[in-house]
Amino acid sequence: GAGVSQTPSNKVTEKGKYVELRCDPISGHTALYWYRQSLGQGPEFLIYFQGTGAADDSGLPNDRFFAVRPEGSVSTLKIQRTERGDSAVYLCASSRGLVTDTQYFGPGTRLTVL
Amino acid sequence: KNQVEQSPQSLIILEGKNCTLQCNYTVSPFSNLRWYKQDTGRGPVSLTIMTFSENTKSNGRYTATLDADTKQSSLHITASQLSDSASYICVVSQYGYALNFGKGTSLLVTP
Repeated sequence: GAGVSQTPSNKVTEKGKYVELRCDPISGHTALYWYRQSLGQGPEFLIYFQGTGAADDSGLPNDRFFAVRPEGSVSTLKIQRTERGDSAVYLCASSRGLVTDTQYFGPGTRLTVL
Repeated sequence: KNQVEQSPQSLIILEGKNCTLQCNYTVSPFSNLRWYKQDTGRGPVSLTIMTFSENTKSNGRYTATLDADTKQSSLHITASQLSDSASYICVVSQYGYALNFGKGTSLLVTP
């Protein structure tokens, strides 16, 4: 498909474990964004990539969270020593890169930390 | 503190009726304001985006307005359909990319 894809769609893990969430943006989109959405809340910004570099990572809640985009396409959000409070839907979006471009969202990964 | 407040929190209307959702923000500096529609279990889908100089933008039955002086925006839905049932999220950007999300208005359209 031509849209943003995210894998896995659901992830259940135990407290203290390490998880990786993957995002495949729309081909050719230089900008990529990660958001976190808790139940009943709007998405919360985590990090923004322009190409391979993180242009703004001010939304990452702490140093347990890290994201990479080594080739400027696929991105991985990594969470170490997961906590129950990390449970949420993690959304990825991509855009062509201009500041006013539409962001296209993936379906999200629902993370549950037991 | 940058905030985006939406009202009402939830709304129920009859199919075919119109409705208006409100968004007030205190985000500064202002770059653009976007409205998204989010169906349950899905990612948000962009409806409109407006910059400082634009005060209205339409997308089919959806019309968004922006008053940058009073920092208010509205989303008007005309002739509602059952498929309009969703959460509508107002997003205000400081530096172009979306940073400040409202909690959304949950709209239910009933037959």
